[in-house]
Amino acid sequence: QQQVKQSPQSLIVQKGGISIINCAYENTAFDYFPWYQQFPGKGPALLIAIRPDVSEKKEGRFTISFNKSAKQFSLHIMDSQPGDSATYFCAASKGNYKLTFGKGTLLTVNP
Amino acid sequence: DGGITQSPKYLFRKEGQNVTLSCEQNLNHDAMYWYRQDPGQGLRLIYYSQIVNDFQKGDIAEGYSVSREKKESFPLTVTSAQKNPTAFYLCASGTVQETQYFGPGTRLLVL
Repeated sequence: QQQVKQSPQSLIVQKGGISIINCAYENTAFDYFPWYQQFPGKGPALLIAIRPDVSEKKEGRFTISFNKSAKQFSLHIMDSQPGDSATYFCAASKGNYKLTFGKGTLLTVNP
Repeated sequence: DGGITQSPKYLFRKEGQNVTLSCEQNLNHDAMYWYRQDPGQGLRLIYYSQIVNDFQKGDIAEGYSVSREKKESFPLTVTSAQKNPTAFYLCASGTVQETQYFGPGTRLLVL
């Protein structure tokens, strides 16, 4: 049973556009929601994370929107750049232990 | 990649052979994790350890074994019982206060 569903599987955006990746979770005990960015052949790197006491968190061009009642959260990448082309994973956990990951979104930003 | 090292970068396994993947961290993190990554499958948890000399099975532990004799080290053995070992293996560490940080990964291939 997949506890974190991520969509879309792949996304193509033009340079300067907005990239939006969505995730939905089932376990209401989850209280930590990070996003990771992974380049080919590398380990994932933490991009941004949110806890359910806030509905939005912004760091530079990256924003997490969180909807507790809908059990959904999303990543918005503003002014997308070719260097943002990577695979993005959402995850969820109770506390910081045992992250459950979505299956990933391959983002391609065309120049 | 922070203070997490994984070796080797590439590993080749022969039929019926056990192989061990190394993971070391100098971040003073209590918890360490092993994930397996397959194309389109996201990251799946193999084993995790919250303290020295203690570890728990994750979602796909069959065919794998671990030890945690030192806080800094969490080696993963892929045994001959794992019939489909070809994958990218990722080690991570973290604490209750901090998110998980990933190593650079080891790619395991079967000869």
